[in-house]
Amino acid sequence: EAQVTQNPRYLITVTGKKLTVTCSQNMNHEYMSWYRQDPGLGLRQIYYSMNVEVTDKGDVPEGYKVSRKEKRNFPLILESPSPNQTSLYFCASSLRQGDQPQHFGDGTRLSIL
Amino acid sequence: AQTVTQSQPEMSVQEAETVTLSCTYDTSENNYYLFWYKQPPSRQMILVIRQEAYKQQNATENRFSVNFQKAAKSFSLKISDSQLGDTAMYFCALGRIYNQGGKLIFGQGTELSVKP
Repeated sequence: EAQVTQNPRYLITVTGKKLTVTCSQNMNHEYMSWYRQDPGLGLRQIYYSMNVEVTDKGDVPEGYKVSRKEKRNFPLILESPSPNQTSLYFCASSLRQGDQPQHFGDGTRLSIL
Repeated sequence: AQTVTQSQPEMSVQEAETVTLSCTYDTSENNYYLFWYKQPPSRQMILVIRQEAYKQQNATENRFSVNFQKAAKSFSLKISDSQLGDTAMYFCALGRIYNQGGKLIFGQGTELSVKP
């Protein structure tokens, strides 16, 4: 089954404790992206990757890092999480940049205390 | 800058009735897609319908249809014969076909409640 898998689905943690949200897709997609969803703001892009070792900032990259060492994986790293990063996070992928629609993971609810 | 605006934060409809969700957008591009996504309480992002800007014909998917007005930059979603399972947050989104970042621009969302 074609899917985008995110882990964990839920996480409560404390300020400053590094965390990683994993994202994996099994569709051999080149393009992957991270969004955060906040009430009243919809979803906003954090980072994206057009292929292995190619990443770039989206609209709200501050406080986040990403890497793309393998085609299937695109982890989101919060080196020093802060309460304003409490949000719902989505990973998405598509065959190539600009291809639509994108396939979304099931979301990760992060709470930073 | 590209923007998407959903001016109805919440709406409700009686089961079996028809409801229309509004969306306006702004872009200087000529080639783009427009989407409606449904987000039920499970939080999944489910694609409901999509429209290519170069197509004049409005897209339909079963009970879901759109009214795409390119000149007015309007893209409303009509849900016919509303069902309880349609209760969800609905997002309108804009995606450029040839895009540096490949991102989708989302509206703020409309929370739809279908009442029995």
